[in-house]
Amino acid sequence: DVKVTQSSRYLVKRTGEKVFLECVQDMDHENMFWYRQDPGLGLRLIYFSYDVKMKEKGDIPEGYSVSREKKERFSLILESASTNQTSMYLCASGTGVYEQYFGPGTRLTVT
Amino acid sequence: RKEVEQDPGPFNVPEGATVAFNCTYSNSASQSFFWYRQDCRKEPKLLMSVYSSGNEDGRFTAQLNRASQYISLLIRDSKLSDSATYLCVVATGNQFYFGTGTSLTVIP
Repeated sequence: DVKVTQSSRYLVKRTGEKVFLECVQDMDHENMFWYRQDPGLGLRLIYFSYDVKMKEKGDIPEGYSVSREKKERFSLILESASTNQTSMYLCASGTGVYEQYFGPGTRLTVT
Repeated sequence: RKEVEQDPGPFNVPEGATVAFNCTYSNSASQSFFWYRQDCRKEPKLLMSVYSSGNEDGRFTAQLNRASQYISLLIRDSKLSDSATYLCVVATGNQFYFGTGTSLTVIP
């Protein structure tokens, strides 16, 4: 079974803090993705990565950065958290145009 | 224009009913198509892939119409456990595009 894990299920941070969200997959997938999901807006792609040390901007990269130092790990960084970044963050991994597998999500609240 | 559009519902149907969801996509070069299921406060999980020839998995049937650029999901004999949000997903290259989801509630 494919397993994608995320470092936290729930996180509460203060405005201005630097926030790290970690994602690890165990299926040797080349591609990894970070999405955020908000009511009425669906899943929106923040960043994705095709390979180690490679990254591509998605639809809403502003305020975020990513790091992929190892194939199995993809980190999302909120440089200075703001209240409009309160959301559910979902990591996914996959290969090519085949299905993506999601982690359980991190519900982030920024106060 | 959005890459993927689907009716958000909600669909409220009695147990045993048949319900169908449709989804349209804008890029004719799209290569792969999926339906995902998402339960409340959980991550999306793959329900089924959608092939040009259509495919069936038990009570679920998915179809793809490339000419009209839409995909559909049919659920027969609805169960209470089918209550969830169903996401239409279209892949173009390495990018995946998600619909906003259609909410289904099956009522006893």
